[in-house]
Amino acid sequence: DAGVIQSPRHEVTEMGQEVTLRCKPISGHNSLFWYRQTMMRGLELLIYFNNNVPIDDSGMPEDRFSAKMPNASFSTLKIQPSEPRDSAVYFCASSFSVESKPDSNEKLFFGSGTQLSVL
Amino acid sequence: AQSVTQPDIHITVSEGASLELRCNYSYGATPYLFWYVQSPGQGLQLLLKYFSGDTLVQGIKGFEAEFKRSQSSFNLRKPSVHWSDAAEYFCAVGPGWYGGSQGNLIFGKGTKLSVKP
Repeated sequence: DAGVIQSPRHEVTEMGQEVTLRCKPISGHNSLFWYRQTMMRGLELLIYFNNNVPIDDSGMPEDRFSAKMPNASFSTLKIQPSEPRDSAVYFCASSFSVESKPDSNEKLFFGSGTQLSVL
Repeated sequence: AQSVTQPDIHITVSEGASLELRCNYSYGATPYLFWYVQSPGQGLQLLLKYFSGDTLVQGIKGFEAEFKRSQSSFNLRKPSVHWSDAAEYFCAVGPGWYGGSQGNLIFGKGTKLSVKP
């Protein structure tokens, strides 16, 4: 299995530009998470999807941020317009959860992240 | 408010020495607790987790953690550290089952572990 695949690994852009981060979860997983990591705030959950449906987007910082999951094998996180304070590492993670077994051995698998620098 | 505190930002231990990384949490209900490890330039990998039952949890790579409800702590331990353990370690807490998954976690800010030869 290739694991969770994120692209690009590094993104450098100028303030005001649109940025799109991409994630391919592990095949068969039904939950997908977008996290952001900064020195100041650590790891923060931005949004997560279950069965392609957004469940909780309360961590999305502003309307400039949007996330989609058009199908089970692809998700995007878009920032428009980008600002220097958006500079961070953005992680995507996926898991397989079974609703009938809430204490099952669900495990998060993280991608290697996208290092975003907004100048 | 729900939170996770890792009081040590950076710890250095000698190879072969024992290790304990501290984690305290604030949570309104019985939490689900996790420890993750992050190597440079990589994503996070799950070391171990506690849901219920035995308060001493065994994980991968020889790590263990003990849940102490009275102290709101979930400290990570390893009896003998190897150079390859140098990484950043994150404690996390979650609500358990919510919205179809257990993965919506609150992370601590991490403890960076350095290992001296």
